[in-house]
Amino acid sequence: DTGVSQDPRHKITKRGQNVTFRCDPISEHNRLYWYRQTLGQGPEFLTYFQNEAQLEKSRLLSDRFSAERPKGSFSTLEIQRTEQGDSAMYLCASSLAGATGELFFGEGSRLTVL
Amino acid sequence: QKEVEQDPGPLSVPEGAIVSLNCTYSNSAFQYFMWYRQYSRKGPELLMYTYSSGNKEDGRFTAQVDKSSKYISLFIRDSQPSDSATYLCAMSVGSGTYKYIFGTGTRLKVLA
Repeated sequence: DTGVSQDPRHKITKRGQNVTFRCDPISEHNRLYWYRQTLGQGPEFLTYFQNEAQLEKSRLLSDRFSAERPKGSFSTLEIQRTEQGDSAMYLCASSLAGATGELFFGEGSRLTVL
Repeated sequence: QKEVEQDPGPLSVPEGAIVSLNCTYSNSAFQYFMWYRQYSRKGPELLMYTYSSGNKEDGRFTAQVDKSSKYISLFIRDSQPSDSATYLCAMSVGSGTYKYIFGTGTRLKVLA
């Protein structure tokens, strides 16, 4: 499968716990994005990387959120001290660099904070 | 006012109908436009990608961009029950920032 892969697909956690999501982009894509989507809403931009550099972050990305892409390939999104308001679908997407190109999304990681 | 506005629906149509889905936007700098289809509890699937103004056709789908009116549309011809999903528009300025801004999505139901 050559699409964007995300893991885990669903995570249930208790408030205050830390969670980490992983994204493997399409292999030749050097831009990687994280979005968050809540029920009935469109995806909201969180951050994006070009290769290993994090080039833009949304104000939505509080201090409890951190994203990395250490070798310019896969990326992780960690949420520390989860809150119930963090419950959402976390979507990863990738694209080719150069002109603004199409975003290809993974199936998402659904987070439920109890 | 949101940068991208999209009627959430739901929109119900009979099988075979022509469907028109629309988004309006406020940022005149947007140049790149996309339409996605999203089934329940799945990731968005890219349908159409257009740059600047004009029309683009792909099978039963036609995307239109009218930058003067800040209005984009997606037309679905001969709609099928399998087209029942949420349709999201997305747009980007491009140069200087590569993030896409999404609409809230329109829920479409095609009745057999």
